Amino acid sequence: AQTVTQSQPEMSVQEAETVTLSCTYDTSESDYYLFWYKQPPSRQMILVIRQEAYKQQNATENRFSVNFQKAAKSFSLKISDSQLGDAAMYFCAYRRGATNKLIFGTGTLLAVQP
Amino acid sequence: SQTIHQWPATLVQPVGSPLSLECTVEGTSNPNLYWYRQAAGRGLQLLFYSVGIGQISSEVPQNLSASRPQDRQFILSSKKLLLSDSGFYLCAWSDGGLETQYFGPGTRLLVL
Repeated sequence: AQTVTQSQPEMSVQEAETVTLSCTYDTSESDYYLFWYKQPPSRQMILVIRQEAYKQQNATENRFSVNFQKAAKSFSLKISDSQLGDAAMYFCAYRRGATNKLIFGTGTLLAVQP
Repeated sequence: SQTIHQWPATLVQPVGSPLSLECTVEGTSNPNLYWYRQAAGRGLQLLFYSVGIGQISSEVPQNLSASRPQDRQFILSSKKLLLSDSGFYLCAWSDGGLETQYFGPGTRLLVL
């Protein structure tokens, strides 16, 4: 069975600094997708970034980028120039290519210090 | 643009009472729809998904059921709530099963 592990329950970063959130996953599939979702205090899940496993190039969305290491089954999220609004719970998620099911990690709570 | 609505936002119900949570999507046709539950301090767990009207797939056997009476409406129900049904329920949609899922604002359910 596929699993997603986020080993950092909590992280803290100074405003304007860079922080990296870790995620590892376990799968025997070759066709899959990886996601980072942000859950602010409102608790609505917001898509941050998506990576297709067949793409070698790391996905980037403005200040958010990923380091996708397929062989190591690692998918970390880098947040550059951190802002107060980035404070939230961040979830890593995996979806096998031909399925509807998202499998989530347990989340990392990110605090941004002014 | 597409929007997804959930109601109620918050619900407090006694054990043994029925439940009906509603999710609707605007701005798209024939979306895939999903119900997730998030227990306190945990990630999300997929409960049900639907690829079309009347088509429901269950991921976890439990006290809950889902229905899709209209193309863009997804309902989560229970005949008798348990204490363990408390949690945060999120509805999501995707444009086809293999696309990114987008989430609604969620419903906080507390069963007493």
